[in-house]
Amino acid sequence: KAGVTQTPRYLIKTRGQQVTLSCSPISGHRSVSWYQQTPGQGLQFLFEYFSETQRNKGNFPGRFSGRQFSNSRSEMNVSTLELGDSALYLCASSFTTRDTEAFFGQGTRLTVV
Amino acid sequence: QKEVEQDPGPLSVPEGAIVSLNCTYSNSAFQYFMWYRQYSRKGPELLMYTYSSGNKEDGRFTAQVDKSSKYISLFIRDSQPSDSATYLCAIPRRSNYQLIWGAGTKLIIKP
Repeated sequence: KAGVTQTPRYLIKTRGQQVTLSCSPISGHRSVSWYQQTPGQGLQFLFEYFSETQRNKGNFPGRFSGRQFSNSRSEMNVSTLELGDSALYLCASSFTTRDTEAFFGQGTRLTVV
Repeated sequence: QKEVEQDPGPLSVPEGAIVSLNCTYSNSAFQYFMWYRQYSRKGPELLMYTYSSGNKEDGRFTAQVDKSSKYISLFIRDSQPSDSATYLCAIPRRSNYQLIWGAGTKLIIKP
């Protein structure tokens, strides 16, 4: 079966712009989590959605937001981009929020210049 | 103190060596322990998970948990260049199952 699909794979934006990243989970998975990965901070949890509701949220500013659609696809948005937002953004899906095995997409590499 | 600590490496070993990768954690209530592998330019993939203490073996990989020391290990026997990747430990919180991640250890297997 198809894995987790993230689009786009690469993105270059300038400071102050906003960006929207997309994630299509594995068919049947209803939980989608987003992570930011940087060399200095490692994997940091952004938020988790299940059945179109945000269930958990990490410690990120309000510029980072997300949503989930009825087909479980998810988007995350970052407004007023800063240089420090340059990172690999990873999406992971699982059947439920209690499912400890998460399947990751290949990520979106965001570079802010 | 971070809840999960992991040496970022890099760890470089010759092909065929036994590799030991480790994490320590602070919360004695943690029960599930997971190891993910991440190749360059890819997302992490689940390699193994263990519940509570003891060992779990899968081919050349063995995961070990020592709850008394709050120490988890991943051993790789007969290491191959294809094992070169970053290995991350992850522990789900009992309250909301959110994964707490180690920093990841970059492993390099030299042919």
